[in-house]
Amino acid sequence: GAVVSQHPSWVICKSGTSVKIECRSLDFQATTMFWYRQFPKQSLMLMATSNEGSKATYEQGVEKDKFLINHASLTLSTLTVTSAHPEDSSFYICSAKRGLDTEAFFGQGTRLTVV
Amino acid sequence: AQKITQTQPGMFVQEKEAVTLDCTYDTSDQSYGLFWYKQPSSGEMIFLIYQGSYDEQNATEGRYSLNFQKARKSANLVISASQLGDSAMYFCAMREGRRSSASKIIFGSGTRLSIRP
Repeated sequence: GAVVSQHPSWVICKSGTSVKIECRSLDFQATTMFWYRQFPKQSLMLMATSNEGSKATYEQGVEKDKFLINHASLTLSTLTVTSAHPEDSSFYICSAKRGLDTEAFFGQGTRLTVV
Repeated sequence: AQKITQTQPGMFVQEKEAVTLDCTYDTSDQSYGLFWYKQPSSGEMIFLIYQGSYDEQNATEGRYSLNFQKARKSANLVISASQLGDSAMYFCAMREGRRSSASKIIFGSGTRLSIRP
């Protein structure tokens, strides 16, 4: 199947700093990627849809100035958590679809801890 | 309103037994897709099985089968001959609308399956 790589797999940062998470489709081009957030023992909540070459579409309740998404190329989307606070600590996971494939392929996820 | 409902927060099953994980959904679209993903403790999301709304046959993939009952809006996952490695979180998910590279997938709350040796 198609491979989506996410980096880093875990990160610890200080409160007030910004953290960038990368999501790459390694063997296919993805015009659209999706960013999810997952709190412990909870479901994946869709944060935003990342569109190559245009602005991301954010879900209701997600602060676009807090979670900056850039989809600079057909194989790379980045999520930057700006001015991170402890409540931003979570598991962030991206996904991408390869054309009309039925399934979405997921990255390995990034565990963010803000101290 | 919740679109995907998984009513079983956790389940314990004896190894080698079959298990059914429940999922109901709500949509007004005629065209949609239903998925099951497995998430082990490592966090990765593993695709298991897919059912399209227009598919007449229930989907099967090895030990996984999807019991699709369209009128009842249910898409239960059946795992036959469970194995210890099946212990994980299982998420039911749905894509509304026609299949496209930009169509969103939303997830249910998940069921934690534990297999007893």
